[in-house]
Amino acid sequence: GQQLNQSPQSMFIQEGEDVSMNCTSSSIFNTWLWYKQDPGEGPVLLIALYKAGELTSNGRLTAQFGITRKDSFLNISASIPSDVGIYFCAGQRGNNFGNEKLTFGTGTRLTIIP
Amino acid sequence: EAEVAQSPRYKITEKSQAVAFWCDPISGHATLYWYRQILGQGPELLVQFQDESVVDDSQLPKDRFSAERLKGVDSTLKIQPAELGDSAMYLCASSSIPRDSAPEAFFGQGTRLTVV
Repeated sequence: GQQLNQSPQSMFIQEGEDVSMNCTSSSIFNTWLWYKQDPGEGPVLLIALYKAGELTSNGRLTAQFGITRKDSFLNISASIPSDVGIYFCAGQRGNNFGNEKLTFGTGTRLTIIP
Repeated sequence: EAEVAQSPRYKITEKSQAVAFWCDPISGHATLYWYRQILGQGPELLVQFQDESVVDDSQLPKDRFSAERLKGVDSTLKIQPAELGDSAMYLCASSSIPRDSAPEAFFGQGTRLTVV
């Protein structure tokens, strides 16, 4: 099945650094979501975006919904050890509060170097 | 805090055997999803239920996989016979439609299947 393209695949940073990752699609999505997954656990929702051009923050996390509706990015400021994990973007085609499947990205693995 | 329950957490089975996974969604959530996540990839939808009805099973390998949600609450995903390529994390998620926001899908901890 289709998977969204995420970059970078992995990141190695030092604590306190800012992080930026993005997600692109060949087709339009009307809702973009960012999830974090810890080893052996299910994904947990971080941020949801519902309108093209929307910029949304959740603490140290900021995400934007691209104008073309084919991309999104996630920034993490001042990284801390608990930010380690795999970050997934996900898209939904609908935006009318219908329950639709999520199409996930390929993931970005974040590692913090001591 | 309400959560999606899945069991077992881990399962090792021999190829050609049958295996089953169970999911109990958050109470009141009408929509239930089964996703498969191969190591190093993002989850991919296998089947979606709305109450007891299948909404989307286009990616479910129906020759060996089956899913049911008989009373519209908990759900079972079965594989028979299991193949080596079925080794993956099987994630269950559920969602509702809140009045003033888009639905959020909550995921369980998953069942890690290893076929040997």
